[in-house]
Amino acid sequence: AQKVTQAQTEISVVEKEDVTLDCVYETRDTTYYLFWYKQPPSGELVFLIRRNSFDEQNEISGRYSWNFQKSTSSFNFTITASQVVDSAVYFCALFNTNAGKSTFGDGTTLTVKP
Amino acid sequence: GAVVSQHPSWVICKSGTSVKIECRSLDFQATTMFWYRQFPKQSLMLMATSNEGSKATYEQGVEKDKFLINHASLTLSTLTVTSAHPEDSSFYICSARNRGELATEAFFGQGTRLTVV
Repeated sequence: AQKVTQAQTEISVVEKEDVTLDCVYETRDTTYYLFWYKQPPSGELVFLIRRNSFDEQNEISGRYSWNFQKSTSSFNFTITASQVVDSAVYFCALFNTNAGKSTFGDGTTLTVKP
Repeated sequence: GAVVSQHPSWVICKSGTSVKIECRSLDFQATTMFWYRQFPKQSLMLMATSNEGSKATYEQGVEKDKFLINHASLTLSTLTVTSAHPEDSSFYICSARNRGELATEAFFGQGTRLTVV
């Protein structure tokens, strides 16, 4: 069985603050993929990043960065200099290559106040 | 980038009627499509996986006869909620995986908000 835990249900920050969203996963697979998605109030899911289990390089994309640590089974997401438009629900997901389907965390609601 | 179109975006129907939701991949062939259900302030729960030309695989606890899934072509899957009841009101989201790629990010539709009155 696999599991994705996003321990932070809600986070509130003031604009320009940095914020880190935590994601911890459990899986018996040696090959798997991790994702982050953003879900704004409109509801559609926006893909942010995919990382496979063999690639532990951290990644930076503009104000977004991701820290993948296999040793602690974590795939954390940091937004630098947050903006009001970053307010959304963020989901971490684990794709199981054997089962061919994804498991989502419960999501973290981020509110960025002006 | 790849686009998945879901239609309708929202629908209100009377209790006892059936509602069909379409999920189309617009610029790629999707051999596999996924249907999720999301209750307010909750996560996405996988309902079923549909492969083109074969029967859908339903997750445990999902009623096959209530949620009919058809994946007749490489670009279209449909979810029909039969004899809908108020408890079926939810946000339904589809995603599509590109043909030949095992684990690309699944491209998601815009979602359909179903309200049964």
